[in-house]
Amino acid sequence: DTAVSQTPKYLVTQMGNDKSIKCEQNLGHDTMYWYKQDSKKFLKIMFSYNNKELIINETVPNRFSPKSPDKAHLNLHINSLELGDSAVYFCASSQFSQGAGVTEAFFGQGTRLTVV
Amino acid sequence: DAKTTQPTSMDCAEGRAANLPCNHSTISGNEYVYWYRQIHSQGPQYIIHGLKNNETNEMASLIITEDRKSSTLILPHATLRDTAVYYCIVRVNYGQNFVFGPGTRLSVLP
Repeated sequence: DTAVSQTPKYLVTQMGNDKSIKCEQNLGHDTMYWYKQDSKKFLKIMFSYNNKELIINETVPNRFSPKSPDKAHLNLHINSLELGDSAVYFCASSQFSQGAGVTEAFFGQGTRLTVV
Repeated sequence: DAKTTQPTSMDCAEGRAANLPCNHSTISGNEYVYWYRQIHSQGPQYIIHGLKNNETNEMASLIITEDRKSSTLILPHATLRDTAVYYCIVRVNYGQNFVFGPGTRLSVLP
């Protein structure tokens, strides 16, 4: 069983299109994240949700809209795709433990988005 | 979250111990040290974490200095499959994400 799964694994689309990436975790975690890894290989946080509520929203264009229908899912919808959105997007989850802080995060295998 | 400094790259001979250093001189008392690795654009993989004491698991050992300003990740018997980028991260708890720096690219050589 895959702990954090993302779909699709690869996504090629034209500029201006709208696309979604789905993420599901079966670990029972209460916190989920979206990270972006660009061509320079830096991993940057985009969003973080705890119990379906947005807690981190970094400087991301509002064309990016996360949706968390329940604690096990955090989907990423992107409107009006641009060339610069090409990157690998990683979903992750973790569990907040009282007194111990947030435990380790588990990452999905990534979605490679190519905008042409 | 405190900033970390790691060497850009390191080589290690297969079968030998790989010792990856990390400096975190501005770490605060409630920040943990986490290590992750990323193998060839796969999702980052958790390795180990600690607060003050040295830690060991089936993957690696984490040695944290007494003043907590630096740490070393030890892979006791490196294999070719350990070739990856290794990230040292310091972080507090709830509400804080994992901030990844550029990491150390470890190449395990046959």
